[in-house]
Amino acid sequence: DAGVTQSPTHLIKTRGQQVTLRCSPKSGHDTVSWYQQALGQGPQFIFQYYEEEERQRGNFPDRFSGHQFPNYSSELNVNALLLGDSALYLCAVSQWGRTLGNTIYFGEGSWLTVV
Amino acid sequence: AQKVTQAQTEISVVEKEDVTLDCVYETRDTTYYLFWYKQPPSGELVFLIRRNSFDEQNEISGRYSWNFQKSTSSFNFTITASQVVDSAVYFCALSLLMDSSYKLIFGSGTRLLVRP
Repeated sequence: DAGVTQSPTHLIKTRGQQVTLRCSPKSGHDTVSWYQQALGQGPQFIFQYYEEEERQRGNFPDRFSGHQFPNYSSELNVNALLLGDSALYLCAVSQWGRTLGNTIYFGEGSWLTVV
Repeated sequence: AQKVTQAQTEISVVEKEDVTLDCVYETRDTTYYLFWYKQPPSGELVFLIRRNSFDEQNEISGRYSWNFQKSTSSFNFTITASQVVDSAVYFCALSLLMDSSYKLIFGSGTRLLVRP
């Protein structure tokens, strides 16, 4: 059990709206990454946070932004929602700086539907 | 460019059959990790195994086994005596060490259906 909590689990939004998704890692995991998984596809890396800074970013537009808090929890914000943003959004946690044995654990995800 | 290919979109077997899920990866890096995750309908990605690029030793864990071959850039996963509870989508992923942390590159997944 990775102990990663994501909220909300399901939500429906209208095109043009904004959404905020939340992730709380279990103790000891200080690095949070977000992935988008469209139906029938593998997860795609959005960005990664450590020490409250964005460290890496995938090929996603600026409509996707994030934040990490001092307690390591994180938020993913998506502005001006498009139908194509409908997906499962997964939070992944790990420990920064460990080369060997750095397993990445995932939460159950937030299912976003844009109508 | 880094890429992971899971050519099998869907596999259907009868319970107790053995099944192998294929994974082929591409990278020019010499240091990398390979992962397998299981995704049940709930959506959570469940970690199964991690293997680094310098360790080609095959591994067995209960009914699961993994065959890593750098010569063919493959990291295949075998389930022996499959069970209905094994039904899920399985993802192979490639991880590159970047700035002391990792980014995962996933394949498109293989949906496994184990029929009673």
